[in-house]
Amino acid sequence: EPEVTQTPSHQVTQMGQEVILRCVPISNHLYFYWYRQILGQKVEFLVSFYNNEISEKSEIFDDQFSVERPDGSNFTLKIRSTKLEDSAMYFCASKTNTEAFFGQGTRLTVV
Amino acid sequence: DAKTTQPTSMDCAEGRAANLPCNHSTISGNEYVYWYRQIHSQGPQYIIHGLKNNETNEMASLIITEDRKSSTLILPHATLRDTAVYYCIVRVAVSGTYKYIFGTGTRLKVLA
Repeated sequence: EPEVTQTPSHQVTQMGQEVILRCVPISNHLYFYWYRQILGQKVEFLVSFYNNEISEKSEIFDDQFSVERPDGSNFTLKIRSTKLEDSAMYFCASKTNTEAFFGQGTRLTVV
Repeated sequence: DAKTTQPTSMDCAEGRAANLPCNHSTISGNEYVYWYRQIHSQGPQYIIHGLKNNETNEMASLIITEDRKSSTLILPHATLRDTAVYYCIVRVAVSGTYKYIFGTGTRLKVLA
């Protein structure tokens, strides 16, 4: 069964460093998403991406965040200068016309 | 903000049906109801979705009221592995795509 793959599963970074979280969506999917979940809290929408551009973003997705689909298969989330409060699970999702499928997440720990 | 409200937690005996309610009184006519679940901190797992008709698949059944203001997810024979947080989501159309807004969900505990 096709699945969304995220790497790495766990990333530890120092505050102020840049991180790139990587996702390989399901191959024929056209819509892509990033969500995050701070420990013990709900899953929060960050951004949606379609046709090589951002279609919607939340208040959380400020200038420190960016997304890219560099080669037609990967979908990345970049955080330019990480803060302690960026520590969370980050989930990538992709969809065609109906349901969205989520990856298993990257646990980002900022120290 | 999420357009749904769910009970915070529920218990269910193993082997019995688990009925998880959801209110979505502000749902619009073309907005779908989706159900996902999250086991521990894993990625949300799709369960089922519907618009106005009742739906059934290999995992669950979805019953949507005629006025579409509420729905119930039914796990017909709950097992210990069904212990998870269950999210009822109204999929919202935005800017040519769709957005899934998660609420706080219902923490279902299946008891042996």
